[in-house]
Amino acid sequence: NFMLTQPHSVSESPGKTVTISCTRSSGSIASNYVQWYQQRPGSSPTTVIYEDNQRPSGVPDRFSGSIDRSSNSASLTISGLRTEDEADYHCQSYDSNNWVFGGGTKLTVL
Amino acid sequence: EVQLVESGGGLVKPGGSLRLSCAASGFTFSDYRMNWVRQAPGKGLEWVSSISSSSSYIYYADSVKGRFTISRDNAKNSLYLQMNSLRAEDTAVYYCAREGDSGNYWFDPWGQGILVTVSS
Repeated sequence: NFMLTQPHSVSESPGKTVTISCTRSSGSIASNYVQWYQQRPGSSPTTVIYEDNQRPSGVPDRFSGSIDRSSNSASLTISGLRTEDEADYHCQSYDSNNWVFGGGTKLTVL
Repeated sequence: EVQLVESGGGLVKPGGSLRLSCAASGFTFSDYRMNWVRQAPGKGLEWVSSISSSSSYIYYADSVKGRFTISRDNAKNSLYLQMNSLRAEDTAVYYCAREGDSGNYWFDPWGQGILVTVSS
């Protein structure tokens, strides 16, 4: 089984751009899709990116996802930060009947 | 509107049992894989179990294998999680989550979650 590692926390100012990384410990990041979920305090997770770089309807295009084979990692980029983006962000992938989450990253917009 | 509503949580003593339910509406339940995901207090998300649309394929995280049983009733649009031999480390909010529309091993949407507390 593999692990997904995220930074514990990141912070940035409103209007700026932030990138959250998610590094796969073994196996290729490209072998299975990566998803990103946003979880505001006291709420259930909601999908902001699925299948590496797809946005569900209703998610603003300020949110984008990508993968980097050279670093074996996925990234979530949020541009034009708003205070409402402050939340926990969790990456998730899959391999061999095992669904794996990263530890989550707390985004502070200050 | 797609809705998933969990029930059955609460306080249970170590070694005890609990059965969670998830009532689904707003979509054709029998077409989708369903899942349970949990989140311990202040911690990240942890996948618990998955069941295919016809119950043919069932998978568990190692942390719950042999203690938890996932099941579904497509006639009742319901998902279940029978939890036995509960431990303190099973304390968490348990979410019912549907497979994403594209089917590629992701979760969407999620229920509101139900708290399970294992304590003496």
